[in-house]
Amino acid sequence: AQSVTQLDSQVPVFEEAPVELRCNYSSSVSVYLFWYVQYPNQGLQLLLKYLSGSTLVESINGFEAEFNKSQTSFHLRKPSVHISDTAEYFCAVSEVANSGYALNFGKGTSLLVTP
Amino acid sequence: GAGVSQSPSNKVTEKGKDVELRCDPISGHTALYWYRQSLGQGLEFLIYFQGNSAPDKSGLPSDRFSAERTGGSVSTLTIQRTQQEDSAVYLCASSLATVRTDTQYFGPGTRLTVL
Repeated sequence: AQSVTQLDSQVPVFEEAPVELRCNYSSSVSVYLFWYVQYPNQGLQLLLKYLSGSTLVESINGFEAEFNKSQTSFHLRKPSVHISDTAEYFCAVSEVANSGYALNFGKGTSLLVTP
Repeated sequence: GAGVSQSPSNKVTEKGKDVELRCDPISGHTALYWYRQSLGQGLEFLIYFQGNSAPDKSGLPSDRFSAERTGGSVSTLTIQRTQQEDSAVYLCASSLATVRTDTQYFGPGTRLTVL
């Protein structure tokens, strides 16, 4: 079974600075990868996902993530963050060979953007 | 259109009591998932439904937990004889089909506190 590791539980960053939220997974088979975001007092929302094709995927609000098969990583990046990006970010994996369809989530990274 | 809704939003109960949590998925979504979000444990999968059947119950933590779905729509998660360790936010998600690439849309959750 796959597991997901989000290496940083908290990431403080100043507004307009770049940020990288790290995600590694352990699986020897094909996977689909997701990043979800949870804004304060709101539900989880899909930010972006990698299914196949180009290893670089982008969201509408400037985030991007790159699937790196050799390093089993799917790090999330943004070149310039806003105060409104403050939220909890979850990386998730769905293993193609798994009989179930549940997402396996990391423990989350809390991004705190300050002026 | 309307998203996934859950009720109640908050539930406080005494140890040993039974509770029922409700999820209304997005209309037309055939797949429905229950997850639990607790401090220190992150997001844990509990059970998913394909239509009214539950092919994967592997995440249910004990036989005190059960879930059903009727009419391919509303689902109820029941916890019998609640324990303090059951305190968590219970999240419901739905997707258009039971396809791994489909986005899971999450509800706002039910915060359960067991005293």
